[in-house]
Amino acid sequence: EAQVTQNPRYLITVTGKKLTVTCSQNMNHEYMSWYRQDPGLGLRQIYYSMNVEVTDKGDVPEGYKVSRKEKRNFPLILESPSPNQTSLYFCASSYYQNHYEQYFGPGTRLTVT
Amino acid sequence: TQLLEQSPQFLSIQEGENLTVYCNSSSVFSSLQWYRQEPGEGPVLLVTVVTGGEVKKLKRLTFQFGDARKDSSLHITAAQPGDTGLYLCAAGSSNTGKLIFGQGTTLQVKP
Repeated sequence: EAQVTQNPRYLITVTGKKLTVTCSQNMNHEYMSWYRQDPGLGLRQIYYSMNVEVTDKGDVPEGYKVSRKEKRNFPLILESPSPNQTSLYFCASSYYQNHYEQYFGPGTRLTVT
Repeated sequence: TQLLEQSPQFLSIQEGENLTVYCNSSSVFSSLQWYRQEPGEGPVLLVTVVTGGEVKKLKRLTFQFGDARKDSSLHITAAQPGDTGLYLCAAGSSNTGKLIFGQGTTLQVKP
């Protein structure tokens, strides 16, 4: 089954404790992206990657890191999480030629206390 | 900064009513997407509109792209409880990989 998977689905952590949210897709998509979703603000893009070893900042990259060492994986790293990073996070992927047409993962709900 | 503004933000209607959701911008886009998101799940792509003035239909949903490719609308005919969800419009920059989303329209259809 074609899908985007994220782990963990739920995470409660404390300020400053480094964490990684994994994202993997099995559709051989070139493009991958991370978003955060907050009430009233819609989806905001954090980082995106057009292909392996190529990453770029979205609209809200501060406090986040990403890497794209393999085509299928695109982990999101929070080196020192803060309470304002409490949010619902989505990973998405698509073909490069139609990168606006995204397939989304199920989401990761992160709470930072 | 490119922005997409959706209206209304919330809509609560009775089953069988019609409704229209709007997505507006001051920027011109090469294409625009509509997604639907249900609670606890990621957004799912409904449609892409590309040509100015284009109209696409998906069962009871009609999508239109403005002539100037700056705005779009989603019209639902005879809404059903199964249409309940968050509707999001989205568009991308033609020369970067950035995507932007509207803030969403939460639709509740009561039986």
